[in-house]
Amino acid sequence: QSVLTQPPSASGTPGQRVTISCSGSSSNIGSNYVYWYQQLPGTAPKLLIYRNNQRPSGVPDRFSGSKSGTSASLAISGLRSEDEADYYCAAWDDSLSQGVFGGGTKLTVL
Amino acid sequence: EVQLVESGGGLVQPGRSLRLSCAASGFTFDDYAMHWVRQAPGKGLEWVSGISWNSGSIGYADSVKGRFTISRDNAKNSLYLQMNSLRAEDTALYYCAKGGYSYGILGFDYWGQGTLVTVSS
Repeated sequence: QSVLTQPPSASGTPGQRVTISCSGSSSNIGSNYVYWYQQLPGTAPKLLIYRNNQRPSGVPDRFSGSKSGTSASLAISGLRSEDEADYYCAAWDDSLSQGVFGGGTKLTVL
Repeated sequence: EVQLVESGGGLVQPGRSLRLSCAASGFTFDDYAMHWVRQAPGKGLEWVSGISWNSGSIGYADSVKGRFTISRDNAKNSLYLQMNSLRAEDTALYYCAKGGYSYGILGFDYWGQGTLVTVSS
């Protein structure tokens, strides 16, 4: 059972907009930045969003992040086949004094 | 170019020890916190341990606390993970990840390719 809760799966058709949620608590998302990672099959994770809604250089603006209270979301617009991957949210947890990840969401592009 | 290269993984019997290493290059190593993240076969990511730039702040996941020890040698641009009393549930691909200036930041902008640890008799 992950500290951060994500839906196990999501799907969409090319061109669609999909969102992936990440639910936490006051000790993690509620008081710290949220990060999002994309993991393509057989590869190391890649930082997609940092500090809730910032994109590293090279990440398309089709990817956006938001945070409200103890929840966060990753939105992907103009869905493309190459977006098919696992997506993870992450945050520091002040109560646990540990880093925590969500369980991951497998995105399927139909 | 930033590079993180893990080594030291392998097959080990339950109860035995293993030491993982991560060689860093391409950035000022002693400016950044470093972390270990693992991924069991077919499972999600799990933060294992982190260490601040000067080793002043160190933390562990509950699942490894008391068994694993993280350390770094800034003179050698290297990160380590000493794993003792290994269990079958420690079987995973272990990633070394570059953190931020601050220890409690889960934004890892660079990752190694991972080193596989298999705990089995």
